[in-house]
Amino acid sequence: NAGVMQNPRHLVRRRGQEARLRCSPMKGHSHVYWYRQLPEEGLKFMVYLQKENIIDESGMPKERFSAEFPKEGPSILRIQQVVRGDSAAYFCASSPTRQGPVSFEQYFGPGTRLTVT
Amino acid sequence: GQQLNQSPQSMFIQEGEDVSMNCTSSSIFNTWLWYKQDPGEGPVLLIALYKAGELTSNGRLTAQFGITRKDSFLNISASIPSDVGIYFCAGNSGNTPLVFGKGTRLSVIA
Repeated sequence: NAGVMQNPRHLVRRRGQEARLRCSPMKGHSHVYWYRQLPEEGLKFMVYLQKENIIDESGMPKERFSAEFPKEGPSILRIQQVVRGDSAAYFCASSPTRQGPVSFEQYFGPGTRLTVT
Repeated sequence: GQQLNQSPQSMFIQEGEDVSMNCTSSSIFNTWLWYKQDPGEGPVLLIALYKAGELTSNGRLTAQFGITRKDSFLNISASIPSDVGIYFCAGNSGNTPLVFGKGTRLSVIA
């Protein structure tokens, strides 16, 4: 049973470019979460999605950031017009289908390390 | 918002020693999770706790959900070199997203 997959593992972008980060949840999981991690810090929640729905985006910056989880294909975290402060590790997690809006056991992918030059 | 204080920030121990780390929250949690993160990798779930007072083991790891529901601890017995890494606590209450501590960095000296 494959785990959570993320690609690319490393992404370098110049200021002003767009970054697209992809996440395929574990088989059978329909809940996807995105987190950002700065060096020496814990993970900060960004957004929680189910198929075709954004459930909670309270941690997402209001501008330049968007996320989707289409009916088919991976979840995408998109950062437009990247700035140096966007450099971080971005992790995706998935959890099994459960009752209730927030699941408990979240399984993480290996992350995408974004560097903005 | 909810905050987690995780301590200690870092630990240097001898191989074979026991390790203890803890987390406290500013509010009541319904769920406590403990993760380990190796360099360049994503966090790996170690133990999940759902009830106040619950004590759960996973091999040499033991974690407890504090009875006040505002704290949790993780113990590692007889540490080995592969225990090296960053240990994170995480928790939430009700419908809120997971909140993570800043991590405890464990170094094991052989």
